[in-house]
Amino acid sequence: GDSVTQMEGPVTLSEEAFLTINCTYTATGYPSLFWYVQYPGEGLQLLLKATKADDKGSNKGFEATYRKETTSFHLEKGSVQVSDSAVYFCALTPMFSGGYNKLIFGAGTRLAVHP
Amino acid sequence: DARVTQTPRDKVTEMGQEVTMRCQPILGHNTVFWYRQTMKQGLELLAYFRNRAPLDDSGMPKDRFSAEMPDATLATLKIQPSEPRDSAVYFCASGLAGASTDTQYFGPGTRLTVL
Repeated sequence: GDSVTQMEGPVTLSEEAFLTINCTYTATGYPSLFWYVQYPGEGLQLLLKATKADDKGSNKGFEATYRKETTSFHLEKGSVQVSDSAVYFCALTPMFSGGYNKLIFGAGTRLAVHP
Repeated sequence: DARVTQTPRDKVTEMGQEVTMRCQPILGHNTVFWYRQTMKQGLELLAYFRNRAPLDDSGMPKDRFSAEMPDATLATLKIQPSEPRDSAVYFCASGLAGASTDTQYFGPGTRLTVL
């Protein structure tokens, strides 16, 4: 079945460091791909998305490119801030999902940024 | 700013008691999802509703869990009787199936502790 694999955390970085969180997927056809972020004590928020191959999703300095050839959707940010500390979830909606937007999540990667 | 709301935010109860969690989806959304988040299992989809009809509850323990949508503005998740292993954060999410954007919007969650 469809699945998402993301790098284990925690990822610990200094402020202004470069961030990469790897995400790969297994799915039939062309799923939609998402990154959600969960700040402490809160629900998940959509960070960015991409719906077709070679699309780049971007938001708040984060970006990720839908790579069909490597089945990847790695999250990157050029300069992280302490306020980016959170858990990041990679997710997909299967191409053939029966007409509804079912999300399949990865396990989540915790990011800790220190001053 | 439309948001998914959930009540209560925190619930502590004793084993054997009934627990009811409520969710108000974003007005106009036709899909509602219930998720459970634990450290061990991550995010698990419990149930899915479309136009108030349950379409997928395969992730839900049938003997003690039940999910309903009495109307378009209210979704409920009940546990009876509750057990310590049900302790988790329960998230509700809503979305618009069939739209060009297949985004789910999450509520803040209900943190359940069963003693």
